[in-house]
Amino acid sequence: DSGVTQTPKHLITATGQRVTLRCSPRSGDLSVYWYQQSLDQGLQFLIQYYNGEERAKGNILERFSAQQFPDLHSELNLSSLELGDSALYFCASRPDLGAGELFFGEGSRLTVL
Amino acid sequence: GQQLNQSPQSMFIQEGEDVSMNCTSSSIFNTWLWYKQDPGEGPVLLIALYKAGELTSNGRLTAQFGITRKDSFLNISASIPSDVGIYFCAGQLRTSGSRLTFGEGTQLTVNP
Repeated sequence: DSGVTQTPKHLITATGQRVTLRCSPRSGDLSVYWYQQSLDQGLQFLIQYYNGEERAKGNILERFSAQQFPDLHSELNLSSLELGDSALYFCASRPDLGAGELFFGEGSRLTVL
Repeated sequence: GQQLNQSPQSMFIQEGEDVSMNCTSSSIFNTWLWYKQDPGEGPVLLIALYKAGELTSNGRLTAQFGITRKDSFLNISASIPSDVGIYFCAGQLRTSGSRLTFGEGTQLTVNP
C-alpha cells in the first residue's frame, strides 16, 4: 500500500460525458502528479501540483483540468469524453519538488463507451 | 516531448534465467528509477539511481546509471514466476523538476 488513494477504481461512462477522478496523496506529501496510461502503453505525464499551485503541464488536453485543494487532495476533471480517453489514470505523490521516488496509487480505470 | 527508448518490449524466459533490459535517451537525466507494475496495480519502485555510474542492487535486481547519464539498465538474476509483470524505466530531467518521464515498458513472462 503506497498510501496514495484514488477513487473510483473503475468508471464506465458514455461519450460526451464528464467525470471527476479523485486522489488523496500520502500524508504530508505536497506534490501531486497525474499520469495517463493507455492500453499497452507507458505512463504519460498530464499535470503536477505543489501545495495547491499548478507546477508543470504535460500533454494534457484542453478538455481535461485538475486542481489541488487546501487539504492537498486533488481532482482530475475529464469532459466531453471520447472513446480514446479510455485509459488508466494514475495519481502519484511525493513530499516535495526534489528528485526521487514518486508513490503511485492503484489508478482509476476509465472506460468510455 | 522527451522520450525514453526502452527495450526489449517483451521477454519470454524460463524460470531460473537471467534477464536484462535497458533504457536510452538523447537527453541527460539526473535520476533514473525502475518500477514494476502488476496487473490492476500502480507502479511500485524497485531501484532508484542518483549518480552517473552508480550500480545498485535490491535482492536479485541490479540496476546501473549510465556514465553518460543518458541510459540505464536493469538486470534480474535467477528469475522466478512472481517476476512476471511490466517493468518501466523512468527518469527525471534536470530541466523538468521532480516529474518522471517513463519508458514504454518491458513485459516479462516467466515460464515455470
